Amino acid sequence: QQQVKQSPQSLIVQKGGISIINCAYENTAFDYFPWYQQFPGKGPALLIAIRPDVSEKKEGRFTISFNKSAKQFSLHIMDSQPGDSATYFCAAVTTSGTYKYIFGTGTRLKVLA
Amino acid sequence: DTEVTQTPKHLVMGMTNKKSLKCEQHMGHRAMYWYKQKAKKPPELMFVYSYEKLSINESVPSRFSPECPNSSLLNLHLHALQPEDSALYLCASSQAETTGEKLFFGSGTQLSVL
Repeated sequence: QQQVKQSPQSLIVQKGGISIINCAYENTAFDYFPWYQQFPGKGPALLIAIRPDVSEKKEGRFTISFNKSAKQFSLHIMDSQPGDSATYFCAAVTTSGTYKYIFGTGTRLKVLA
Repeated sequence: DTEVTQTPKHLVMGMTNKKSLKCEQHMGHRAMYWYKQKAKKPPELMFVYSYEKLSINESVPSRFSPECPNSSLLNLHLHALQPEDSALYLCASSQAETTGEKLFFGSGTQLSVL
């Protein structure tokens, strides 16, 4: 119940294409869903996040789509660039009650020039 | 200042050594975290300090000993580590544990245990 399943494990996209990464959770107590971007040799950095009262959030080229009934959320990277090549982690968080911050397994994205 | 600073960036130690990892933030955050990250894996929570008190210990072996001297500093003391402890050790901070949605990570210490 505490797991967050992330797919695909790796992704190769052409420059200018759309990158899509999916996550699914089971525990309905999660109420905050962030995405982190991590470059080699660096710590993860918060990219974008959403709460379950919203179905979509967009920041620049990055969009989160959230399906509360299906308990799924996804990250879309529009116009993907070589500089977006990194590992992406979704997470599910409980912000009240027992603290839980569960990361997905990660997706290694490579954007070809 | 939105940075979490970790030192050293790299550390090589033998199994009998004692070393310490250091972490510092000046964002006024009241929760600080230690995570361990193996290659190609997500970060794994080790410890959480909330208002300078240890609030979560994820059953971490006693060869790892955390310390929070004040609200800006977090240390991780290492002693008698095993080769399987080799990993990237990440420090993070958030406004408070109960509202800790946004984690700010440092760049980590890459630890190799020989």
